[in-house]
Amino acid sequence: EVQLLESGGGLVQPGGSLRLSCAASGFTFSSYAMSWVRQSPVKGLEWLSLISDGGGSTSYADSVRGRFTISRDNSKNTIYLQMNSLRAEDTAVYYCAKDGYYCTGTSCYNAFDMWGQGTVVTVSP
Amino acid sequence: EIVMTQSPVTLSVSPGERATLSCRASRSASSNLAWYQQKPGQAPRLLIYGASTRATGFPARFSGSGSGTEFTLTISSLQSEDFAVYYCQQYNDWPRTFGQGTKVEIK
Repeated sequence: EVQLLESGGGLVQPGGSLRLSCAASGFTFSSYAMSWVRQSPVKGLEWLSLISDGGGSTSYADSVRGRFTISRDNSKNTIYLQMNSLRAEDTAVYYCAKDGYYCTGTSCYNAFDMWGQGTVVTVSP
Repeated sequence: EIVMTQSPVTLSVSPGERATLSCRASRSASSNLAWYQQKPGQAPRLLIYGASTRATGFPARFSGSGSGTEFTLTISSLQSEDFAVYYCQQYNDWPRTFGQGTKVEIK
């Protein structure tokens, strides 16, 4: 079964740290870029970070750059999100998502074609 | 960043009726536009990619159109399982950005 399973969420104080994990199964993990996306009632869906299939390239949203670090271990079929200097506004459901790549004719497209069930992060005193 | 604006925020539709959802980009997203369906307590699910190609598992009553800055998701005849929140997302430029969603509810 194709599956993404996040873990590591919880309650943390402002300024604290948390490390999220996302374990993948059912597809060739090392062939795909992966992203973290969060969802909150205030900001809706927000893409946070992407890591390339081999892990050599990463990108971040401005809101988390310098505080969050994405990484992956292809031997464990897992990606991680190290979150430091957490703020109240980081409170959200955090999803990992597979970056699918589709070609139709001469055009190719990306989309998040698989999502985990999400893990809740609450930043509060 | 490209700002995605969806309208309406809420769409009340009777089963069997047609639903038309709009998504506007603040600048061109070309055809690099996806739609996602999200039901309560679930993660989003890819519905449309490349602005108009249906993802696996979705029936033909779902269709997407548009390019550039104007996009439309049409559900031709709403079924009970289609009542959900729908999000558009562009991946033409970084950061990838989502619209705020349109909730399709039962009228």
